[in-house]
Amino acid sequence: GAVVSQHPSWVICKSGTSVKIECRSLDFQATTMFWYRQFPKQSLMLMATSNEGSKATYEQGVEKDKFLINHASLTLSTLTVTSAHPEDSSFYICSVRTSGSYEQYFGPGTRLTVT
Amino acid sequence: LAKTTQPISMDSYEGQEVNITCSHNNIATNDYITWYQQFPSQGPRFIIQGYKTKVTNEVASLFIPADRKSSTLSLPRVSLSDTAVYYCLVGEWVTGGGNKLTFGTGTQLKVEL
Repeated sequence: GAVVSQHPSWVICKSGTSVKIECRSLDFQATTMFWYRQFPKQSLMLMATSNEGSKATYEQGVEKDKFLINHASLTLSTLTVTSAHPEDSSFYICSVRTSGSYEQYFGPGTRLTVT
Repeated sequence: LAKTTQPISMDSYEGQEVNITCSHNNIATNDYITWYQQFPSQGPRFIIQGYKTKVTNEVASLFIPADRKSSTLSLPRVSLSDTAVYYCLVGEWVTGGGNKLTFGTGTQLKVEL
């Protein structure tokens, strides 16, 4: 399967600051990338879907101005949490999919803690 | 999007076969069935995927009846390291767009000695 990396693996930031999380597909071209959020002991919740070179499609209830997604290339997508607040503390996970495939491959996740 | 229902938890012992069944009564024609495994503080790991009948790979088998309203993940001989949450998902492939997957609650499998 595909190798997906995320950076950083964990981050602590102060309330009101912005944090950028990177998702990289290391060994294949990811035409579509997904961003999920997972709170402790809960399931993954899809936040948005992004296709390379296009604007991201956000799920209902996810603020697009707060969670900025950029999918500038076939190997890199970034999620920026703007003006982070403690309630944004969560485990953020990206996944990638290549054109013509049903399979999604997930990154290792990024633990965000907002103090 | 088809919704899935799984048991919340299952217990087993090392060396046993574990079967986790998932219900997806509203599965659509274009939906595939995929199973993932997740360890704490890690991203989900792909296990197996199928559309109908039976699929087998080096780690698991997936059984899908003809009506496709359910599926069963079979782990042949579990070990302690198989303790994890297992998610059953159905997702539609949208041409040129995302294959949207909706995660249910998952099944927490606990394997003991």
